Amino acid sequence: AQSVAQPEDQVNVAEGNPLTVKCTYSVSGNPYLFWYVQYPNRGLQFLLKYITGDNLVKGSYGFEAEFNKSQTSFHLKKPSALVSDSALYFCAVKAGTALIFGKGTTLSVSS
Amino acid sequence: KAGVTQTPRYLIKTRGQQVTLSCSPISGHRSVSWYQQTPGQGLQFLFEYFSETQRNKGNFPGRFSGRQFSNSRSEMNVSTLELGDSALYLCASSLAGGAGITDTQYFGPGTRLTVL
Repeated sequence: AQSVAQPEDQVNVAEGNPLTVKCTYSVSGNPYLFWYVQYPNRGLQFLLKYITGDNLVKGSYGFEAEFNKSQTSFHLKKPSALVSDSALYFCAVKAGTALIFGKGTTLSVSS
Repeated sequence: KAGVTQTPRYLIKTRGQQVTLSCSPISGHRSVSWYQQTPGQGLQFLFEYFSETQRNKGNFPGRFSGRQFSNSRSEMNVSTLELGDSALYLCASSLAGGAGITDTQYFGPGTRLTVL
């Protein structure tokens, strides 16, 4: 069965510093991996996805993610965090046409 | 393009009642999926519709049902509401080319259902 794990409930970072939100996956077959962000009382916004090809995926709002097959990881990164990046981040894997989500990581960026 | 729209945004019901939620996908998108988000269980897949047919289903009781119309709009129905059905219900649409497995799903703002 497809699954993803987000080992950190919360990540705290100072504005201007690089950020990393971790995700590991377990799949049978090819992994199709996604990152979404959720702001309070809002739906999910798509950030980026990995389907195949280059291991470094660039997405919206300056975010990128590194796919690592040997470590079965798909960590979300940003070189310089903004206070406005503070939100709930979800990693997800496709299982057929369904998305299977991790439990989410709250990112808090302090000024 | 307009995004995914969901109505109503907020709903309060009592136990035993039934509720219908509506979702309009992005123009041109043919697949609609539904998810339930709760603090305890997180985000869970309910079902997915494509061309008016349920193509995939999550592990929810039969009280949860849905349908899709010829214009790709979708409705979700929950009968005999329980307190535990209180949640944010999210709808997502995608193009669903081919088998749809690599498609990106775009989410609406959700419907907040409170069951008293």
